[in-house]
Amino acid sequence: EDKVVQSPLSLVVHEGDTVTLNCSYEVTNFRSLLWYKQEKKAPTFLFMLTSSGIEKKSGRLSSILDKKELFSILNITATQTGDSAVYLCAVEANNDMRFGAGTRLTVKP
Amino acid sequence: DAGITQSPRHKVTETGTPVTLRCHQTENHRYMYWYRQDPGHGLRLIHYSYGVKDTDKGEVSDGYSVSRSKTEDFLLTLESATSSQTSVYFCATSLGPGEQYFGPGTRLTVT
Repeated sequence: EDKVVQSPLSLVVHEGDTVTLNCSYEVTNFRSLLWYKQEKKAPTFLFMLTSSGIEKKSGRLSSILDKKELFSILNITATQTGDSAVYLCAVEANNDMRFGAGTRLTVKP
Repeated sequence: DAGITQSPRHKVTETGTPVTLRCHQTENHRYMYWYRQDPGHGLRLIHYSYGVKDTDKGEVSDGYSVSRSKTEDFLLTLESATSSQTSVYFCATSLGPGEQYFGPGTRLTVT
């Protein structure tokens, strides 16, 4: 059965810290891996990764995929209180999109 | 924001009653999806559509049906609501495989 596992489930840091969120997967016919940010409403898209070893970057956020080891990481540098959210990893395989349970990040002032 | 609205935004209903949730999009996206989100489970795909009248089951389709008679509308029906269907339901759309845009969600409580 396809599955996506995120770790840690929750994380509390202070402003300015750097965090790394993990996503591992086991799916059939992998197509892409996506990261979303969810505050108190709908998820919003961050990155889509399809190739191993190519870093995607947007401001303080970056992500990379390892298709051999079947995982991805999302890095956030110089965290701010506005980064507090649930970060979701999703893997697209065939016509299905499987989400992980999410990592709840809390950034304290 | 892909211009996605969901209605109703909140609903309380009784066990055994039918419920229909509506998703409306203004972006002419081909694909539409219904998810439910529960604590500890993340988002789980219920049904999806890859065009008008073309739908397929997702990971947790039991107890749900969908219809798509127009590009812009995707309806999710709970034929006979149960307490286990209490959840937050999200609609999403996409042009094709990959990035999806999510609606604001519908909080459904089945008592």
